[in-house]
Amino acid sequence: SQKIEQNSEALNIQEGKTATLTCNYTNYSPAYLQWYRQDPGRGPVFLLLIRENEKEKRKERLKVTFDTTLKQSLFHITASQPADSATYLCALGINAGNNRKLIWGLGTSLAVNP
Amino acid sequence: DAGITQSPRHKVTETGTPVTLRCHQTENHRYMYWYRQDPGHGLRLIHYSYGVKDTDKGEVSDGYSVSRSKTEDFLLTLESATSSQTSVYFCATGGPTNEKLFFGSGTQLSVL
Repeated sequence: SQKIEQNSEALNIQEGKTATLTCNYTNYSPAYLQWYRQDPGRGPVFLLLIRENEKEKRKERLKVTFDTTLKQSLFHITASQPADSATYLCALGINAGNNRKLIWGLGTSLAVNP
Repeated sequence: DAGITQSPRHKVTETGTPVTLRCHQTENHRYMYWYRQDPGHGLRLIHYSYGVKDTDKGEVSDGYSVSRSKTEDFLLTLESATSSQTSVYFCATGGPTNEKLFFGSGTQLSVL
């Protein structure tokens, strides 16, 4: 069956450390993968998009890797801050006929402790 | 929230009543989406629109209808609300390339 999985348990780390979140998928051939941040009571906010032919993407303190052989993406936040505490969602962009379809993970909750 | 406004933000209604949720965007994006988010299910697509009067079903469209009479407005209607439709509803637009999504702040709907 097709599925997308993120760390189900909340991640607690100390301020200043690197947070690493995982997104694994099976039986999809994605055109791209995205990461979003969601705060309580708010809609998701787009962070990064990485395409199938890209291995790594960076934006400020964020880094995403994409391994289509392992079917895995890693999302890193370096020098983490309490303000980075949120739920992080990954989403696979797959081709569905003439359209693109997004398949969403359930998200991983990150808490950065001061 | 990239110029996307959802209304109402919260609504409590009774089973069997019709409910309409509104989404308004100021970004002139062609694609618009309605999702619901429930614990254990993540975001699930209800309906989407690829232009004025052009809409299509998502993966959980039963019990929902949509309309888009103007580029900026996308309405989601529950013709006869059921308790299983209690959820948080998010509207999103597809951006200039319809890759990254821009979300509204959501509507918390409770059907009693």
